[in-house]
Amino acid sequence: ETGVTQTPRHLVMGMTNKKSLKCEQHLGHNAMYWYKQSAKKPLELMFVYSLEERVENNSVPSRFSPECPNSSHLFLHLHTLQPEDSALYLCASSQDPLAGDTQYFGPGTRLTVL
Amino acid sequence: AQTVTQSQPEMSVQEAETVTLSCTYDTSESNYYLFWYKQPPSRQMILVIRQEAYKQQNATENRFSVNFQKAAKSFSLKISDSQLGDTAMYFCAFMTSYNQGGKLIFGQGTELSVKP
Repeated sequence: ETGVTQTPRHLVMGMTNKKSLKCEQHLGHNAMYWYKQSAKKPLELMFVYSLEERVENNSVPSRFSPECPNSSHLFLHLHTLQPEDSALYLCASSQDPLAGDTQYFGPGTRLTVL
Repeated sequence: AQTVTQSQPEMSVQEAETVTLSCTYDTSESNYYLFWYKQPPSRQMILVIRQEAYKQQNATENRFSVNFQKAAKSFSLKISDSQLGDTAMYFCAFMTSYNQGGKLIFGQGTELSVKP
């Protein structure tokens, strides 16, 4: 595997389900990010982790819970979601978030909440 | 507040022609970075080009080049010799250097269609 990978690619869940999105980066980067891409809206940053510590939480509802066990893996745990949470969730990584380094994105997980 | 504006929701160009996508941004910072990303129908976000604000020279990457006008806060993307594979959504993005946690601020996007 190369670059940034995300699983699953598609996910359909009910409002009472609990699921997790997984992201893995194979670039040796130190920072990882979750973005949300909704229709007709710009990408929104959700969370930033640098060296496994959360450095940014962009006012995201608590029904989204991130986890970064090491610098290569990032999870987004989902529970009691709402239909408006349906979107494309993109993971990205970069070498140094404070140096303006380029962020490299995964292919995304298309989430549908019924 | 820092914002990025792409005023062209859709554009089209004939294959082999040149097209320019517009982007303006608003910030009070002096040190920042600008990016153009491409998102084809596969939804994979791919970096097209990157520009550091402190560099006066416009960035170039093969058929892709930018016109960076710092005073005007403008960052347009020129695609030369357009190819069918250039059909995609193009996003302009902005990032300040420190104390923002690497936050990329994206514009609304421009949907580019390259016609044969």
